[in-house]
Amino acid sequence: DAGVTQSPTHLIKTRGQQVTLRCSPKSGHDTVSWYQQALGQGPQFIFQYYEEEERQRGNFPDRFSGHQFPNYSSELNVNALLLGDSALYLCASTRTGGPTDTQYFGPGTRLTVL
Amino acid sequence: GQQVMQIPQYQHVQEGEDFTTYCNSSTTLSNIQWYKQRPGGHPVFLIQLVKSGEVKKQKRLTFQFGEAKKNSSLHITATQTTDVGTYFCAGRFGTGNQFYFGTGTSLTVIP
Repeated sequence: DAGVTQSPTHLIKTRGQQVTLRCSPKSGHDTVSWYQQALGQGPQFIFQYYEEEERQRGNFPDRFSGHQFPNYSSELNVNALLLGDSALYLCASTRTGGPTDTQYFGPGTRLTVL
Repeated sequence: GQQVMQIPQYQHVQEGEDFTTYCNSSTTLSNIQWYKQRPGGHPVFLIQLVKSGEVKKQKRLTFQFGEAKKNSSLHITATQTTDVGTYFCAGRFGTGNQFYFGTGTSLTVIP
């Protein structure tokens, strides 16, 4: 039973570029949430996808967008990268309507913006 | 606004001593989760508390949810070096799907 997987593991970009991060949820999960974790901080909620739609969004600008595919995998896109976008990007999956809200996190993608 | 505050930010303890981290919210939480993140790792789910005054135990870890559902704590008895990491609480408000993470408490255990 595969857990949550994310790719790539690390990424280096320059300011102004665009990036796409990918996430495959745990088997049986249909809901994906994306978080940004700056160094020394707690994860900050970016948005959540369910049934291929953005169900809820945190306090992030429109430069951050996402997508969910029919197989429940998800992408996070960030346009016009800023230095402040450097962070660990975490994907978490859960099953809507399941017995608990347990979130399973992937290993994350470390994004560095130069 | 909706946010979850967590203290202390750092805690150094001698192996065998106890450790406690606290989370507080000015607004009633619908539930709260606790996670552990090892250095260089990702958050790993520990437990979820839903009911007012709820207390749950996992071996040396004791989790509490306040009567007013505005605060929570994690207590570790007789810490071990394997307990090293950052402990986060994450609270949810109302029927929203967003979890608000605290800033975390970084635990260092001195052998």
